[in-house]
Amino acid sequence: ELKVEQNPLFLSMQEGKNYTIYCNYSTTSDRLYWYRQDPGKSLESLFVLLSNGAVKQEGRLMASLDTKARLSTLHITAAVHDLSATYFCAVDMIPNFGNEKLTFGTGTRLTIIP
Amino acid sequence: KAGVTQTPRYLIKTRGQQVTLSCSPISGHRSVSWYQQTPGQGLQFLFEYFSETQRNKGNFPGRFSGRQFSNSRSEMNVSTLELGDSALYLCASSFRQGAFRTEAFFGQGTRLTVV
Repeated sequence: ELKVEQNPLFLSMQEGKNYTIYCNYSTTSDRLYWYRQDPGKSLESLFVLLSNGAVKQEGRLMASLDTKARLSTLHITAAVHDLSATYFCAVDMIPNFGNEKLTFGTGTRLTIIP
Repeated sequence: KAGVTQTPRYLIKTRGQQVTLSCSPISGHRSVSWYQQTPGQGLQFLFEYFSETQRNKGNFPGRFSGRQFSNSRSEMNVSTLELGDSALYLCASSFRQGAFRTEAFFGQGTRLTVV
């Protein structure tokens, strides 16, 4: 059974600082996603990582994937208040034959303090 | 382009009743999946439908069922509601062609409260 662990669960950061969220998963997968959720809202797709060594960046967020270590990271650079949210990683099962069965991490609740 | 639409947004039901939730996917998306989100268990996969067929199912009891119509709209049904079924139910759609698929795009969710 695929298990996904995220850490930390809670992260309080000062504006302007850098930090990294970690996502470990237990079995081989080649599809990893990062989502953002604001309180009371739905999930917003941030990144799709499909291969070993994949790195994607959007604004102050950068995600990477190491399939050999079964590890993905979400790096936050020079945090700003607007980044306060809960961040989830999700891993798809393989082989999936095009089907979907996402296993989500526990989420990291990020709070940016002015 | 309209996103994933879920109705209703909020529901209050009594134990023992049944409930039906609806999901309209993004136009052109034929894959629809359902997830349950609770504070205790987090986000858990319920099932996925593609071309009116269930393709995957999560570890939920048979009280949870779903279906998909020819226009790709999907419904989820929960029978004999229990207090523990109180949750945010999220529907997601994705474009799929063969083994290729996009990421899942989520709707706003239906907040179900069982009393």
